Amino acid sequence: QKEVEQNSGPLSVPEGAIASLNCTYSDRVSQSFFWYRQYSGKSPELIMSIYSNGDKEDGRFTAQLNKASQYVSLLIRDSQPSDSATYLCAVNSGGGADGLTFGKGTHLIIQP
Amino acid sequence: EAGVAQSPRYKIIEKRQSVAFWCNPISGHATLYWYQQILGQGPKLLIQFQNNGVVDDSQLPKDRFSAERLKGVDSTLKIQPAKLEDSAVYLCASSSSTGAHEQYFGPGTRLTVT
Repeated sequence: QKEVEQNSGPLSVPEGAIASLNCTYSDRVSQSFFWYRQYSGKSPELIMSIYSNGDKEDGRFTAQLNKASQYVSLLIRDSQPSDSATYLCAVNSGGGADGLTFGKGTHLIIQP
Repeated sequence: EAGVAQSPRYKIIEKRQSVAFWCNPISGHATLYWYQQILGQGPKLLIQFQNNGVVDDSQLPKDRFSAERLKGVDSTLKIQPAKLEDSAVYLCASSSSTGAHEQYFGPGTRLTVT
């Protein structure tokens, strides 16, 4: 059974600092990796996707993937109070059946 | 570009009643997904459609849940009869059949079964 593990938190980070969110996955054939942000009462919003080993940067966000260690992370630089949300890690195996397997999410709190 | 549309946004029913949810994907997106998100959990895939065909329904409780996408565009998810444990947010997502296959979610339908 495919599993995605995240620390549920809450993770509390001072405003302006770097927030580091981590995720591990069990299925070695996983090919695509995604980070979604979910505000309370809202639906998940895609913020980053990563497909190959290494780092991918988009503005204040950096996704990191290490397939050998089955590990993916999200760094948020210059954290803002508006970054306070639950961050969901999701993976899929590629191919035709590419429904996502999600972790339970990490609750991030940015302290002003 | 309009996003994924879902209705209703909220629904309250009694156990053993039936309920249906509707989803219209992003224009041109061939793949449509239904997920169930229970409070405090990540979304769980229920069913995936490619155009009007089912690609994956392995996690759909077929004794009470059904879904269709007859014309390959909008989709309906039905629960009959509902149980208390079906209380959740039902999320619809869509993705393009080309490119990165990134999935975009609709606002969801919050179902409460009493």
